[in-house]
Amino acid sequence: AQKVTQAQTEISVVEKEDVTLDCVYETRDTTYYLFWYKQPPSGELVFLIRRNSFDEQNEISGRYSWNFQKSTSSFNFTITASQVVDSAVYFCALSENVFWKKLTFGTGTRLTIIP
Amino acid sequence: DAMVIQNPRYQVTQFGKPVTLSCSQTLNHNVMYWYQQKSSQAPKLLFHYYDKDFNNEADTPDNFQSRRPNTSFCFLDIRSPGLGDAAMYLCATSRKSGRAGDDEQYFGPGTRLTVT
Repeated sequence: AQKVTQAQTEISVVEKEDVTLDCVYETRDTTYYLFWYKQPPSGELVFLIRRNSFDEQNEISGRYSWNFQKSTSSFNFTITASQVVDSAVYFCALSENVFWKKLTFGTGTRLTIIP
Repeated sequence: DAMVIQNPRYQVTQFGKPVTLSCSQTLNHNVMYWYQQKSSQAPKLLFHYYDKDFNNEADTPDNFQSRRPNTSFCFLDIRSPGLGDAAMYLCATSRKSGRAGDDEQYFGPGTRLTVT
């Protein structure tokens, strides 16, 4: 069975601070996919990144960066120089099935950026 | 812009009164999903369609049904809504491609269902 744990329920930081959201996953498959989604107050889940299990290269996209470590089964997400617009609930998700993309979500981390 | 559209955004229904939520997409994706998200919880997959093939999750209650009359539209029918069915219902699509891991899910804005 697959499982995603986001231990941080809520985080608040002051604008311009850096913040890291943790994600730990469990799976028995050797091939799997990890995702981060952002859910702003409007409710829509916005895709941020997909990472394949065979690609441990970290990724940076603007103020966002992701650290994937198979040794610790973690896929952490860092926002640098946070902004008020970053306030949202962030979900980490895991997919074992290649084609159906059945996503198992973590419980989410509510991030509040204080102006 | 290509997108996933859900109507209505807010739906109020009475206890036991059937309700239908709709989803349409202009992405021409062949897979469509329905998720239920209760307050402060993670989205939970109810079922998905690959083209016309329906795939139900084992723990999805019989009260929930779905129809996909064509590629663009998918409906979620709740036959007898209970108070516990109040939630956000999210529709998503993806494209089953020949390349593994190529197709992430695109979500609609959701329909928030209230049961009175």
